[in-house]
Amino acid sequence: KAGVTQTPRYLIKTRGQQVTLSCSPISGHRSVSWYQQTPGQGLQFLFEYFSETQRNKGNFPGRFSGRQFSNSRSEMNVSTLELGDSALYLCASSRDRHIMNTEAFFGQGTRLTVV
Amino acid sequence: DQQVKQNSPSLSVQEGRISILNCDYTNSMFDYFLWYKKYPAEGPTFLISISSIKDKNEDGRFTVFLNKSAKHLSLHIVPSQPGDSAVYFCAASRSGNTPLVFGKGTRLSVIA
Repeated sequence: KAGVTQTPRYLIKTRGQQVTLSCSPISGHRSVSWYQQTPGQGLQFLFEYFSETQRNKGNFPGRFSGRQFSNSRSEMNVSTLELGDSALYLCASSRDRHIMNTEAFFGQGTRLTVV
Repeated sequence: DQQVKQNSPSLSVQEGRISILNCDYTNSMFDYFLWYKKYPAEGPTFLISISSIKDKNEDGRFTVFLNKSAKHLSLHIVPSQPGDSAVYFCAASRSGNTPLVFGKGTRLSVIA
């Protein structure tokens, strides 16, 4: 079956702009989580969506937001981009949020560079 | 406040030898631990996990050990192969629906 698909793979934006990243989970998966990976901080949790509702949110400023659609696809948005937002953004999907996280499958990520 | 720590940013091991990657955690509420492997330009892939009711879990060449009293876990790879060269992330969770908390990763290089 198809894996988790993230688009675009690479993105270059200018400070102050906004960006939208997309994640299509594995068919049948209803939970989508987003992580930010930077060299200094590792993977940091951004938010989790399940059945179109945000269930958990990490410690990120309000410039970071997301949503999930009825088909489980998810988008995350970052407004007023800062240089420090440059990172690899990873999306993970799982069938159900109440199972052990071994069922979480990651996409290849979107590499965002802010200049 | 980092709840999951991987204190070694990198590790080099000769092919055929044992690789030992370490991870410490501070939150005693964590009861499920996972290791993920990540190649460049790819997302992390699940490797092996362990529940807090166990102290060891084995899957082929990979074994994870959990020492709850020390809040420490380790991943052993025996024998190490060049294809094991990747970044390894330790992650922890409280059972149920809590997000994974990751360490910063350890880059393993297996030298032929």
